[in-house]
Amino acid sequence: GQNIDQPTEMTATEGAIVQINCTYQTSGFNGLFWYQQHAGEAPTFLSYNVLDGLEEKGRFSSFLSRSKGYSYLLLKELQMKDSASYLCAVSSSASKIIFGSGTRLSIRP
Amino acid sequence: DVKVTQSSRYLVKRTGEKVFLECVQDMDHENMFWYRQDPGLGLRLIYFSYDVKMKEKGDIPEGYSVSREKKERFSLILESASTNQTSMYLCASSPRTGKASQETQYFGPGTRLLVL
Repeated sequence: GQNIDQPTEMTATEGAIVQINCTYQTSGFNGLFWYQQHAGEAPTFLSYNVLDGLEEKGRFSSFLSRSKGYSYLLLKELQMKDSASYLCAVSSSASKIIFGSGTRLSIRP
Repeated sequence: DVKVTQSSRYLVKRTGEKVFLECVQDMDHENMFWYRQDPGLGLRLIYFSYDVKMKEKGDIPEGYSVSREKKERFSLILESASTNQTSMYLCASSPRTGKASQETQYFGPGTRLLVL
């Protein structure tokens, strides 16, 4: 079967660092996406990984290990506006993406 | 900027009614998708389309149908709405390039449907 697992909820402190993990089992793999979704809004694209290693983009970084079926999203210097759900998604076949249930991140002052 | 619009943000319908949800994208994308999003279940794919007049079933197509008569428009139809179809419906589009890295999905604002 196809499965994407990520924690349901996390809490972190403003200014700190948080790591959101994602493990996946899919029949195919063409890359892994992270999306951010604020409450009541549409998901927006954050990052894409297809090769092993770390991709850095400002305060956000995403890591992939294909052999372990594992990724994480690292958020640095957390701001209150980072409170949102973070969706891990795998491109399993041509143009088709499978989404995880999302991790709801709460930032406290 | 890519823009994906959906016909309604909020919709209230009665059981048994036929419901149309419209989605329009302005970036000439080949691929269009309909998802529903429910707490704890994440985004689940209902139907998708690779081209005009083409459609493929996603993971949960039962109770739904779709129409893609024009490239920019993808409609989701609930033939006879039921209370278990109360959900947030999200439309998305992506270009078909053959490279997953370039096929980021762009989402519309969503339609929150309540079936009474």
